[in-house]
This record gives sequence, structure tokens and C-alpha cells, in this order.
Amino acid sequence: DQQVKQNSPSLSVQEGRISILNCDYTNSMFDYFLWYKKYPAEGPTFLISISSIKDKNEDGRFTVFLNKSAKHLSLHIVPSQPGDSAVYFCAASIPNTGNQFYFGTGTSLTVIP
Amino acid sequence: DGGITQSPKYLFRKEGQNVTLSCEQNLNHDAMYWYRQDPGQGLRLIYYSQIVNDFQKGDIAEGYSVSREKKESFPLTVTSAQKNPTAFYLCASSVGQGIIYEQYFGPGTRLTVT
Repeated sequence: DQQVKQNSPSLSVQEGRISILNCDYTNSMFDYFLWYKKYPAEGPTFLISISSIKDKNEDGRFTVFLNKSAKHLSLHIVPSQPGDSAVYFCAASIPNTGNQFYFGTGTSLTVIP
Repeated sequence: DGGITQSPKYLFRKEGQNVTLSCEQNLNHDAMYWYRQDPGQGLRLIYYSQIVNDFQKGDIAEGYSVSREKKESFPLTVTSAQKNPTAFYLCASSVGQGIIYEQYFGPGTRLTVT
């Protein structure tokens, strides 16, 4: 049973515009959320994270928003750049479980120059 | 440079053979993980280890085995009991237990079994 879901397999955005990637989760025990970026044939790289005690975390062009009541988080990329084209995974973790992460299925972002 | 290495990048095996995937890290991380990625799916946890000489099963451990004899190394053996072994395998590590830490990933090994 997929506890972390990314319902949009792909997204295309014009360069310079905002990219919004969405993620939903079902387990209310999740306490920490992360976004990873992955290029083909490479391992994912950590992008940004947010703790459940916050509703927003910002790092440069990347902002993650968390809506606990809706069990929803989103990643905003502004402005989008062609180098942002990659697959983005959201992940969630439950405290005191050995740092296990539950990953979504990924959203493939294409930024069109 | 500190990081995680996985070798080889591509691996081909005949059905019925066991195969061992290598994962080494020089980040001095306590915890290490093995994931599997299939097309259109997220990363699924196979095994993880929080400390040397100890490891736990993840969600899809059947047909796999691991060892953690050294802090730096966490090899994964794909046995002949694994029904669908062809996949992209990712190794990761993190600082340790307790507080949640981000995981750092290696470049992956693509295993093809025919």
C-alpha cells in the first residue's frame, strides 16, 4: 500500500515560470518530509526537507509547503530553469523507526527553454 | 571526496545465479540502506543497518541478503530466490539513529537477469 503518493507522473513548465510538484500521504505518523531530485541512471540527491512542526521551508529557489490537516506537501521551484528537469521524489519518515523513508513514485519535471 | 560508491554500474547475470552488489561509503555514517527502483515506482526499502553487525528487513527483503561487517561497507546479495531481480539498486547512508537525517545516495547499480 503506497503511503506516499505523487499523482502526477509528469509536469512540463516554461523556463522562468513556477513549477509546483505535489505529494500526498496517508500515514498521520509521518513527522519529517523530504524532496529528492534524480537524474537518469544516477542516485537521488537531497533537495529540501521540512519538519511537521513547520508549514514552510525555503532554500533559494525551492520552497516546500506542508499542510498537515490535508496530509499534503508541495515543492515550488521559482523561477524554473532547464537544469531543473529531473524526476522529483517526495519522501516521509516516522520518528524512531531507524530513519526509514517512504518514497513516492516520482514526478518527472521538464522545463522548456 | 566523501561519498558513496556502488560497483559495478551495470551488471548482467543468468537466472539462477546469486549476485552481490557492492556499496562503500567514506562519510563515517552509521546507517546504511538498500533500495530498489522499478519503472514507474518509487524507491522501496530492501534492508537497512543502523550499526555494524546489525541489520533489519525493509518492505521487500525476500530473496535478498546483506551483511554489515564494517561501518564502511554494506553489500547486498540478490539470491536466486528473488523472483524479479532485474531492477535499479540504490545504496544510501545517513548519519545515524534518533533524529531524522537525510540520506545520501550512491549512483546505483542496474542489474539485468536473463
